[in-house]
Amino acid sequence: NAGVMQNPRHLVRRRGQEARLRCSPMKGHSHVYWYRQLPEEGLKFMVYLQKENIIDESGMPKERFSAEFPKEGPSILRIQQVVRGDSAAYFCASSPTGGIGSEQYFGPGTRLTVT
Amino acid sequence: DAKTTQPTSMDCAEGRAANLPCNHSTISGNEYVYWYRQIHSQGPQYIIHGLKNNETNEMASLIITEDRKSSTLILPHATLRDTAVYYCIVRVANTDKLIFGTGTRLQVFP
Repeated sequence: NAGVMQNPRHLVRRRGQEARLRCSPMKGHSHVYWYRQLPEEGLKFMVYLQKENIIDESGMPKERFSAEFPKEGPSILRIQQVVRGDSAAYFCASSPTGGIGSEQYFGPGTRLTVT
Repeated sequence: DAKTTQPTSMDCAEGRAANLPCNHSTISGNEYVYWYRQIHSQGPQYIIHGLKNNETNEMASLIITEDRKSSTLILPHATLRDTAVYYCIVRVANTDKLIFGTGTRLQVFP
């Protein structure tokens, strides 16, 4: 049973470029969550998606950030025109069902560095 | 904002029980208590969760007070590999997001 997979594990982008982070949930999981962790801080929720639908995007910055979870393929977190403040670890989690009481299983994260 | 309060750091000798406290005095009746840990810079690892009854699994035990205002995570025989940041999370009702605080940095020493 493969766990949650994220790629790339490390990503370096220059200011103004686009960053695309991919997340493949565990087999049988149709709920995906994205979190961001700044250095020396706890994780902050960004967005929750279920196949083809955004359920909760209350933690997403209003501009430059978007997320999708298509019917086929991985979930994508896209950051346009990156700035130095976007440098962080981005973690994806998946669960088989939504709702309180369900566990979220996390991937290893993508470390984004903006130069 | 996180709804939990945890000590910043704790030490524990290898082989002894590690008892990690968490205060959640404003918890609502239908909110669960979750525990995750993060080893170094890896993705958080689910440990255990509970509503009102004490829970035990292969990793740990969760003791929730009767008034549900606090809980304790118990690692019965801590090993060096249990060194990590432990997060106590109150799962907000009617939402799926986990709200992480700053956690407790547990250092297990030989």
